Amino acid sequence: DAGVIQSPRHEVTEMGQEVTLRCKPISGHDYLFWYRQTMMRGLELLIYFNNNVPIDDSGMPEDRFSAKMPNASFSTLKIQPSEPRDSAVYFCASSLVSGAAGKQPQHFGDGTRLSIL
Amino acid sequence: RKEVEQDPGPFNVPEGATVAFNCTYSNSASQSFFWYRQDCRKEPKLLMSVYSSGNEDGRFTAQLNRASQYISLLIRDSKLSDSATYLCVVRQLGTDKLIFGTGTRLQVFP
Repeated sequence: DAGVIQSPRHEVTEMGQEVTLRCKPISGHDYLFWYRQTMMRGLELLIYFNNNVPIDDSGMPEDRFSAKMPNASFSTLKIQPSEPRDSAVYFCASSLVSGAAGKQPQHFGDGTRLSIL
Repeated sequence: RKEVEQDPGPFNVPEGATVAFNCTYSNSASQSFFWYRQDCRKEPKLLMSVYSSGNEDGRFTAQLNRASQYISLLIRDSKLSDSATYLCVVRQLGTDKLIFGTGTRLQVFP
């Protein structure tokens, strides 16, 4: 079965450029999450969607970051303009509906390693 | 104070050793608890959920102490392949958000 698919795997770009990260969740999953991971701060949730609707974007660092989920099989995270401090690994994850017990695991993609020069 | 705190390690142990990691969480409303494993330059993967009564999966045992707000992971008979970063994860009541600790690095040597 195909897992969560992210693209690109690596991105190196100059500051000020627009960066677009893409994610295809596992088919049938209701939830999609965008995370950022750095050595200093660990894994931080940026935003998550339920049935394509953004539920909580309180982790989005600032207005330069935006995320969309136009349909159940695709999401984008954009950074415009990019800055060197945005350099990190960005993960997308998806899961089935949490349910009362909330035991459904999140399945992560391979991540996008982003370097802003 | 971070919501989920872990000793970053590294824990360097020989093969066959038993090693234990602890994790503390600050929000008493936390409802669900997990341990994820992350290999170097790879994505996190669910290792096991943590149940109130404690649970075991092969060489791995997880325990939860709600009164003290800490979670533990015990690994028996360590293997070289256990070398990874172990992330303590908490979900708060009424949300779908997972809060990740920064992880504890384990290195098992021959």
